[in-house]
Amino acid sequence: DQQVKQNSPSLSVQEGRISILNCDYTNSMFDYFLWYKKYPAEGPTFLISISSIKDKNEDGRFTVFLNKSAKHLSLHIVPSQPGDSAVYFCAATGNYGGATNKLIFGTGTLLAVQP
Amino acid sequence: DTGVSQNPRHKITKRGQNVTFRCDPISEHNRLYWYRQTLGQGPEFLTYFQNEAQLEKSRLLSDRFSAERPKGSFSTLEIQRTEQGDSAMYLCASSLGVGPYNEQFFGPGTRLTVL
Repeated sequence: DQQVKQNSPSLSVQEGRISILNCDYTNSMFDYFLWYKKYPAEGPTFLISISSIKDKNEDGRFTVFLNKSAKHLSLHIVPSQPGDSAVYFCAATGNYGGATNKLIFGTGTLLAVQP
Repeated sequence: DTGVSQNPRHKITKRGQNVTFRCDPISEHNRLYWYRQTLGQGPEFLTYFQNEAQLEKSRLLSDRFSAERPKGSFSTLEIQRTEQGDSAMYLCASSLGVGPYNEQFFGPGTRLTVL
């Protein structure tokens, strides 16, 4: 049962344009969401997060939007740069018993930014 | 470098052998997580320590797997009688649990190949 889904395995955009990466979740207990970026042969690197009490969080070129009713979040990168080319993972967590902060990850989206 | 470190970075072993991985978290981080990532998938939670106490283990962690975190500092993950299905990237993450949710910082991972 895939509780966090990233339905686009890959995305290609031109440098300077907007990149939009999407993520859907099914577990209503999730109340905190994170995006991680991963380069080959490295561990995931934290990018940006959002609590369920917000619908938007912005950090420089990165903005995450959360639509709780649709159980959907998206990551916007503007403007996209070649160095943004990486695999992006959406992750979710919640205080649903057991370990708090246990992250549930999607399968990732490979972003390629073309110069 | 004060990030999360993992050793070894790569391990090739024959089926049936035992292997042990080490994770050194960011100093003063009290929470430590192990995840496993297979090709085309996002990281999957294996186990969680708060200080030296192992508070949760995933169903993915069979009896052949054991993890320790003596004195609440570094952690080891041992796999006994390895199987080809154990081939994966093993990721360690740490966080400072002083609030409801805190970003987890990942190490570079240990890639295990079981022949």
